[in-house]
Amino acid sequence: AQSVTQLGSHVSVSEGALVLLRCNYSSSVPPYLFWYVQYPNQGLQLLLKYTSAATLVKGINGFEAEFKKSETSFHLTKPSAHMSDAAEYFCAVSPMDTGRRALTFGSGTRLQVQP
Amino acid sequence: ETGVTQTPRHLVMGMTNKKSLKCEQHLGHNAMYWYKQSAKKPLELMFVYSLEERVENNSVPSRFSPECPNSSHLFLHLHTLQPEDSALYLCASSQERSPAATIYFGEGSWLTVV
Repeated sequence: AQSVTQLGSHVSVSEGALVLLRCNYSSSVPPYLFWYVQYPNQGLQLLLKYTSAATLVKGINGFEAEFKKSETSFHLTKPSAHMSDAAEYFCAVSPMDTGRRALTFGSGTRLQVQP
Repeated sequence: ETGVTQTPRHLVMGMTNKKSLKCEQHLGHNAMYWYKQSAKKPLELMFVYSLEERVENNSVPSRFSPECPNSSHLFLHLHTLQPEDSALYLCASSQERSPAATIYFGEGSWLTVV
């Protein structure tokens, strides 16, 4: 079985400050990992994904995430927050060893950016 | 413009009504999905279609009935729903059904059951 835990349902940062959104996974086999963003009244959009090619993954809008197997983590970071980054962010995991699609989402973290 | 289009964007229905949600993808994908997003629960996968064949049904009540007439269209037929079914229903598609494939989402259909 696999699961995803996102620590902190709400995170607030000042504009220009570092953004750090935490994601830990639990999986019996190494997984694929994803970060999605959902802006108000919109669907989810892929920010980045880890597919075992490189542990540091760069995504859109200046975001990146690092896969750390020893910590079972895939935290999302951005050096400098922008007002337009305010949204809900979802971490998701999918096992590598099955042919079926089994994407499991975390409960989400709402990012607020203060001016 | 999104590659996955959902209609209607908002739907209010009574518990005895029958309605349908429609999804169309313009990305040439061969897998399509229905997800349910509630206020207090993580995103839940409801159904998966691959090459128009239903391949996953995650213990969804029979009052939700999916239909995939071709690889570009997906429907969710709704009947005798309950107030707790009120949620955002997201359609999605991917090029293939592999675990690494990126899933592309529509903007969702807000459903309110009264």
